[in-house]
Amino acid sequence: DAGVIQSPRHEVTEMGQEVTLRCKPISGHNSLFWYRQTMMRGLELLIYFNNNVPIDDSGMPEDRFSAKMPNASFSTLKIQPSEPRDSAVYFCASSPQVRGGSPLHFGNGTRLTVT
Amino acid sequence: RKEVEQDPGPFNVPEGATVAFNCTYSNSASQSFFWYRQDCRKEPKLLMSVYSSGNEDGRFTAQLNRASQYISLLIRDSKLSDSATYLCVVRGSGYSGGGADGLTFGKGTHLIIQP
Repeated sequence: DAGVIQSPRHEVTEMGQEVTLRCKPISGHNSLFWYRQTMMRGLELLIYFNNNVPIDDSGMPEDRFSAKMPNASFSTLKIQPSEPRDSAVYFCASSPQVRGGSPLHFGNGTRLTVT
Repeated sequence: RKEVEQDPGPFNVPEGATVAFNCTYSNSASQSFFWYRQDCRKEPKLLMSVYSSGNEDGRFTAQLNRASQYISLLIRDSKLSDSATYLCVVRGSGYSGGGADGLTFGKGTHLIIQP
C-alpha cells in the first residue's frame, strides 16, 4: 500500500522566497494533518482538514503560512515569504477519521532550510 | 504544566536489559493514547495503541493509569534496533491549540541501546 507521499524531500531556499510543500494522503483517509518538527519545540500541529475542509488552523504560526486541500488526494502548505526561523521538518499525516482511536500515518517529511 | 510531558533522556541501556519510561498528560478527558517511534531523520511511526486494560505486543508492554494520568512503555530484552526516540501521543477533547480533537505529541524520550 502506498503511504502518505510528500514532496519535495528537501528544500533549501533564501529568505523571502515562497515555499510550497505538497502532500498526498493515503487513499480513503478523510483527515489530513500538517505538522512541523524542531528540536526545541518538538512536533507541532499546524492545521488539519476533515473531508477537505480546514477544521482547526490555530497552530499556523502567522499569516505567512497557508494551507489548502483542493481535493481528497492532495494538499499544499505554502510559506510566503519564508524566514530562517521557518527551517524545520514539515510532516503531513493522514487518518481514517478525526475523532476516536485512529492513529496517524506520517509521510517522510520535507526538510526545509531557509538561509 | 505541559499537556504531554516526557523525560527526554537519553536513556542508555545495555542490550538485553529491560527499560521503561512514562508519559504524563494533563487533561483528564483524554480518550486515546499511543506510543510512536521515531528514528533519526525519519517520520514518526505507530508503535502501539494503549488500551485501558494495558496491552502487550511482543517485547513491548503499554499501560495506562487514568487515576494518575500517565501511560508507560516497557521494553523487554532490548535490541540494538530499539534505539530511537519514543513519542507519547494523547488524543482527547478540549485541548487549546491541540486541534484534531486534542491530538498532542510529547517531545519524546531518546533511547540508546548499547552493545
